[in-house]
Amino acid sequence: EVQLVQSGAEVKKPGESLKISCKGSGYRFVNHWIGWVRQMPGKGLDWMGRIYPGDSDTEYSPSFEGQVTISVDESVSTAYLQWDSLKASDTATYFCARLNGGGSDKHMDVWGQGTTVTVSS
Amino acid sequence: QSVLTQPPSASGTPGQRVTISCSGSSSNIGRNYASWYQRLPGTAPKLLIYNNDQRPSGVPDRFSGSKSGTSASLVISGLRSEDEADYYCAGWDDSLNYVFGTGTKVTVL
Repeated sequence: EVQLVQSGAEVKKPGESLKISCKGSGYRFVNHWIGWVRQMPGKGLDWMGRIYPGDSDTEYSPSFEGQVTISVDESVSTAYLQWDSLKASDTATYFCARLNGGGSDKHMDVWGQGTTVTVSS
Repeated sequence: QSVLTQPPSASGTPGQRVTISCSGSSSNIGRNYASWYQRLPGTAPKLLIYNNDQRPSGVPDRFSGSKSGTSASLVISGLRSEDEADYYCAGWDDSLNYVFGTGTKVTVL
């Protein structure tokens, strides 16, 4: 079964760092881009960026460039989303998803279960 | 942040047909494929439609998609109670970013 399993919920204080994970299984991990999506409480879905595990090529949405770091360790089929200094406004649920298809056909066909991050003093 | 516009809500009684629109521009929907995602309460989003009108395996055929110009549409034919969810259109923009719609909450009356 193709699946993405994300790390568990986190509660952090402002200014703390955090790295959440997304582990793929059931398919050749290096061959598919992994995207990250944010959903703030009561809001819609926001595209954060993507990474290609085969060569670590990374693209960020302008809204998230410099705010987060997307990385990958292909040896353990895991992608990561990292913050150096969390803000209260980072409180949200974060999803990873596998991108399938070619060119402008790429769509997110497999999703992780989501990781809820709460940032509060 | 959303550049794709959807109606905030839609509703219908069981068995009815519901249509959700997604308005974009020449830099996204007008030039690239549209996808649709369903988010049931408390669950991860699920791919419903890709390449404008293709259904992944396992998605009921009461869900259908189409595209015309810079707009896309999702139709739910034969609405069921389990279809009550948030629906998002999405697609690639020429800026190389993936963009989501504003989301539509479907209520089954």
